[in-house]
Amino acid sequence: QKEVEQNSGPLSVPEGAIASLNCTYSDRGSQSFFWYRQYSGKSPELIMFIYSNGDKEDGRFTAQLNKASQYVSLLIRDSQPSDSATYLCAVKGAAGNKLTFGGGTRVLVKP
Amino acid sequence: DADVTQTPRNRITKTGKRIMLECSQTKGHDRMYWYRQDPGLGLRLIYYSFDVKDINKGEISDGYSVSRQAQAKFSLSLESAIPNQTALYFCATSDDRVGVMDGYTFGSGTRLTVV
Repeated sequence: QKEVEQNSGPLSVPEGAIASLNCTYSDRGSQSFFWYRQYSGKSPELIMFIYSNGDKEDGRFTAQLNKASQYVSLLIRDSQPSDSATYLCAVKGAAGNKLTFGGGTRVLVKP
Repeated sequence: DADVTQTPRNRITKTGKRIMLECSQTKGHDRMYWYRQDPGLGLRLIYYSFDVKDINKGEISDGYSVSRQAQAKFSLSLESAIPNQTALYFCATSDDRVGVMDGYTFGSGTRLTVV
């Protein structure tokens, strides 16, 4: 079992719809959770981070964390073609010394 | 100028050659990391360093070595490059101060091809 798992996609959503991305992790003591957006050939860009159970909203993005179920999700509201990218989930484990990344979910927003 | 700078941006090298990838940062972060990215495999940690005197192996350190020359500089070397080291390499930094967001800042990446 991978430490951080994501569906590779592609997740195809129509423009204006909500994209829902999920991530599960194996280290129950994990402390910090991050979502990065990566365009093809570019470096990952941090878009959201969450530390506590519940929801955290920032613009069109909402991160949701459920530590009991060991999953973190990302919602993208009013999806735009510019949101087409790969989204990487990253988790800082109980040791708190480095991030472990999932394989990424590719999102395609169709006009 | 970028906060985290990687050189070179692209490199083609031959099997068996020694090659060094360089990373420098202006963020003042103590923690630095080297990751490689392969299609469908996400980012995998090669080495990381929490200060100039601290070097730690990641999950895929075989065939690689690193040098932390200064707080701002962290270099990755491939002692004898092989084709399966063809990948996109990223350097990253993070802030370890208590109460500060501890996500990574990435460099622009180095695309390495070993032929």
